[in-house]
Amino acid sequence: GNSVTQMEGPVTLSEEAFLTINCTYTATGYPSLFWYVQYPGEGLQLLLKATKADDKGSNKGFEATYRKETTSFHLEKGSVQVSDSAVYFCALSGYTGGSEKLVFGKGTKLTVNP
Amino acid sequence: DSGVTQTPKHLITATGQRVTLRCSPRSGDLSVYWYQQSLDQGLQFLIQYYNGEERAKGNILERFSAQQFPDLHSELNLSSLELGDSALYFCASSADRGSSDTQYFGPGTRLTVL
Repeated sequence: GNSVTQMEGPVTLSEEAFLTINCTYTATGYPSLFWYVQYPGEGLQLLLKATKADDKGSNKGFEATYRKETTSFHLEKGSVQVSDSAVYFCALSGYTGGSEKLVFGKGTKLTVNP
Repeated sequence: DSGVTQTPKHLITATGQRVTLRCSPRSGDLSVYWYQQSLDQGLQFLIQYYNGEERAKGNILERFSAQQFPDLHSELNLSSLELGDSALYFCASSADRGSSDTQYFGPGTRLTVL
């Protein structure tokens, strides 16, 4: 079935550091790919998405490119802020078990220190 | 604020009991999704309803059931509760039927089974 693997955390960075969170996927067909973010005590929010190969999703300084050849969708940000501290989830939407479902990775906790 | 509301915020109950979690989707959204988030299993898709009809099923136990009412709110019923059912339960909604549509998550209901 479809699955998502993302780098284990936690990740701790200083403010203005460069961020990469790796995400790879296994899926049949042509899934859509997502990054969701969960701030402490809140539900998930969509951060960015890409629906086909070579698409780049971007939002709030975060970027991720849908790479079909490496089945990856790594999240990057050039300069993180304390307010970026949260748990980040990579996800894919695709057909599995006869219906279209959203499958999440286990999440990566990011802490940014001032 | 995503526009998705969930009640109650917290629920504490005993093993063997039955509880009902409620979700109101964003205005105009026709799809409702239920997810379970636990430390060991991560974020798991349970079930999706679209305009009152079940559309997709994930890892939902037979002890769990859900429905979507004519006003589009949804309820998730959990019965014969076990300690392992303790988790955060999220509801999400989207405008259309595909899981690749942007999903908006509620703040969650934290269930504790003692």
